[in-house]
Amino acid sequence: QVQLVESGGGVVQPGGSLRLSCAASGFIFRRYGMHWVRQAPGKGLVWVAVIWHDGSRQYYADSVEGRFTISRDDAKNTLYLQMNSLTVEDTAVYYCARDQGATNYQLDLWGQGTLVSVSS
Amino acid sequence: QSALTQPASVSGSPGQSITISCTGVSSDFATYKYVSWYQQHPGKSPKLIIFDVSYRPSGVSNRFSGSKSGDTASLTISGLQADDEADYYCTSYATRTTLVFGGGTKLTVL
Repeated sequence: QVQLVESGGGVVQPGGSLRLSCAASGFIFRRYGMHWVRQAPGKGLVWVAVIWHDGSRQYYADSVEGRFTISRDDAKNTLYLQMNSLTVEDTAVYYCARDQGATNYQLDLWGQGTLVSVSS
Repeated sequence: QSALTQPASVSGSPGQSITISCTGVSSDFATYKYVSWYQQHPGKSPKLIIFDVSYRPSGVSNRFSGSKSGDTASLTISGLQADDEADYYCTSYATRTTLVFGGGTKLTVL
């Protein structure tokens, strides 16, 4: 079954850290670029980061640059998002999504999302 | 402020057609071919319904169509059905290496 399953969300205090995981199955993970997209409660979708299919490049939204790190482990078919220095503005459902190709920024497979709540 | 502007809401009756616009702020937007559209039902994950401006993924109804003219991309849904009621988002490049979503459009089927 082709799917993405996120995990690792939870409640964290401002200034804290969290690492999200996204387990891929049913497709050849190493062939695809991967993204993280977030959605604050009641708000729209916001792109967060991308990692190239071969892991050679990573790019970030300005709002998370320097605080978040996207990475992948192709041996484990898993995508990660390390989030540091979290603020209340980072509260959102975080989705991982598969790029349609090596990387053309069109997302053809999405996970169910994991909720990150930053609160004191 | 999103670099892609969508109307906040649109509505239509069953059987009618509606069009959602997506206007790019960047002067490069007119040249981008990687414009895609996503449908999101409440509490669900987004679903790709249009890619490369006008192509439908396998399994997506041909009632959904996309187009682009200059700095504006459009999603048209024909033969509106109750299940089309959802939020719709356009996306394209913000820069050559980053992605931006439009603000989203809530479609109400009357």
